[in-house]
Formats: sequence, structure tokens, C-alpha cells
Amino acid sequence: AQSVSQHNHHVILSEAASLELGCNYSYGGTVNLFWYVQYPGQHLQLLLKYFSGDPLVKGIKGFEAEFIKSKFSFNLRKPSVQWSDTAEYFCAVYNQGGKLIFGQGTELSVKP
Amino acid sequence: DAGITQSPRHKVTETGTPVTLRCHQTENHRYMYWYRQDPGHGLRLIHYSYGVKDTDKGEVSDGYSVSRSKTEDFLLTLESATSSQTSVYFCAIRDSLGTDTQYFGPGTRLTVL
Repeated sequence: AQSVSQHNHHVILSEAASLELGCNYSYGGTVNLFWYVQYPGQHLQLLLKYFSGDPLVKGIKGFEAEFIKSKFSFNLRKPSVQWSDTAEYFCAVYNQGGKLIFGQGTELSVKP
Repeated sequence: DAGITQSPRHKVTETGTPVTLRCHQTENHRYMYWYRQDPGHGLRLIHYSYGVKDTDKGEVSDGYSVSRSKTEDFLLTLESATSSQTSVYFCAIRDSLGTDTQYFGPGTRLTVL
């Protein structure tokens, strides 16, 4: 079965530090990839998505992600995090059956 | 937001009672989904719908049923709630304009005592 793996369950950073959250998926075909963010007590919001074209995707709030097909990865990055980036981040990929498969999530805590 | 509302937003119920959660959308999207969110599991698909009266099972469908009699409403029913169904339930729609992006509702926090 297709799966999505997020390597870090909880990441703690200080403000202005750089962020990279790992995401690997198991499906080898054409993929549509997403990163969602969930702020405390809120619903999931779309950060960015990759469907085709430039493998470096820019999203909202200064986030970007790079699709590396050979590594089955779609890592999320931000050069300088803020306290307001404290949230849980989910990577997701559509599987062959057209269903969205989510990773377990990474909780990011940013210290002011 | 994609015009998705969920009701109720919070519910506490007892084991063995039936519970129905409602998802309502205002933008005529064909695909609608129900997920549950539990710590360490991300979001898992319960059921989804690809049109009025057209539904199918997801990854964790046992103990749940759904109905969609109108495009705008997608109901999730727990026929006899159990403590293992304590969770946060999210409804989602899939953008029908070609991007295949799913957008989520505000969620329902359900506690089964």
C-alpha cells in the first residue's frame, strides 16, 4: 500500500532558524503532492502543492518545497521561522485510487 | 475557505448511542470526504462521495456509514458510538476546477464516554 512518511514527529526551533521537514512517499508513478498546516485548534490549510513542472514549489508565508523524484521526497523548507509558524505540518500524496494519503504529521514549536 | 461548514463543532455522547455529523458545502463540489484525525496517525479517510447517492469506503470505515442525498450535504453516522471513535472529524471537498486540491472544514470534536 502506498504510504507517506514524515521523519520528524516534533521539531523545536528558535525564531530565525531555518526549517526543513522531511517527507517521503512510496508511490512510484505520477504524483500530486501537498503540504498542509494546522495551527493550534484550527483546521488544515493548504501551504503548497506540486502537480508538475518546476520541482521547486513556493507556497504561502515564505514556505517552499522541493520535489526530488529519484528520492521520492518532497521536503518542506523555510529559511527563517517565526513564532507564528508554530503548528502541525502534514505531507500528503494522492494514491493510484485517487485518495489522499497523509503522513503522520510533524509538530513544529518555535521559541520566541 | 471553500465554503465548508460542519455541525456540531463539539459533541459529547455516551457509548452505544447513534451520532450524526453534518458537512455542508456551498460551492457545488462533486467530491466530499470524511476524515478522522488522531495523534500519531495524521488524517485517515473514513468514507467519501463522488456524487449524490454515490459513496465509497476509505481506510477506516468500520463502524461508520454515510449518506449524500443532496450535493451540498454529506452526513457521517456512527450507528453505535464507541470510545475508540473519540476523535476530531474533518470534512473536505475536492476542488472540481482541475487542481484536485482538497480543502477542509473546521472540524468536529467528538468525545464518546
